[in-house]
Amino acid sequence: NAGVTQTPKFRILKIGQSMTLQCTQDMNHNYMYWYRQDPGMGLKLIYYSVGAGITDKGEVPNGYNVSRSTTEDFPLRLELAAPSQTSVYFCASSTHGRDRGSYEQYFGPGTRLTVT
Amino acid sequence: GQNIDQPTEMTATEGAIVQINCTYQTSGFNGLFWYQQHAGEAPTFLSYNVLDGLEEKGRFSSFLSRSKGYSYLLLKELQMKDSASYLCAAYTGGGNKLTFGTGTQLKVEL
Repeated sequence: NAGVTQTPKFRILKIGQSMTLQCTQDMNHNYMYWYRQDPGMGLKLIYYSVGAGITDKGEVPNGYNVSRSTTEDFPLRLELAAPSQTSVYFCASSTHGRDRGSYEQYFGPGTRLTVT
Repeated sequence: GQNIDQPTEMTATEGAIVQINCTYQTSGFNGLFWYQQHAGEAPTFLSYNVLDGLEEKGRFSSFLSRSKGYSYLLLKELQMKDSASYLCAAYTGGGNKLTFGTGTQLKVEL
């Protein structure tokens, strides 16, 4: 199992450019999440999905879009990049079973994005 | 709304014990997670408390009081590799969502 994988690892964007951050998990988890983490801060939830075809906004969704066409993939789209979107982006996944340990979220390695 | 508070920084000595506190005010609270995050890396799971009391796992223990909205992470026999940020996160239902605190940066010194 590779777990949660993210590409790219690093990216520099110019203001106004667009890009898609890729996230894939091979654990057959139904829940997936996108977070951003600014320096010295905790993680803020951008969007989440409870299954293929279902997505919902988190705490800081403005400027982002997501889709979930398969269980495995949950891409994050930035349409018009702004300097305020400079951050580290983490994708995570979890399952939801009777074992309380199954609520744990597994994180990908992150994408470090700079918008200049 | 959701609010989680934890100290910004702590310093402790190798071999000692340190307690990192977390207080929370959240709606729909179901449990409390602790994650460890080394600089430049992803968070990794440490513990999950859903019932009141202490959960022990090796050198790490975590405590929860639901009535007081309070949790702590206890690290024993500190090692240099324990220098990291420790994130407290409240679990709410409806999508398995987590609300994270800003993290406590722990520095272990000789």
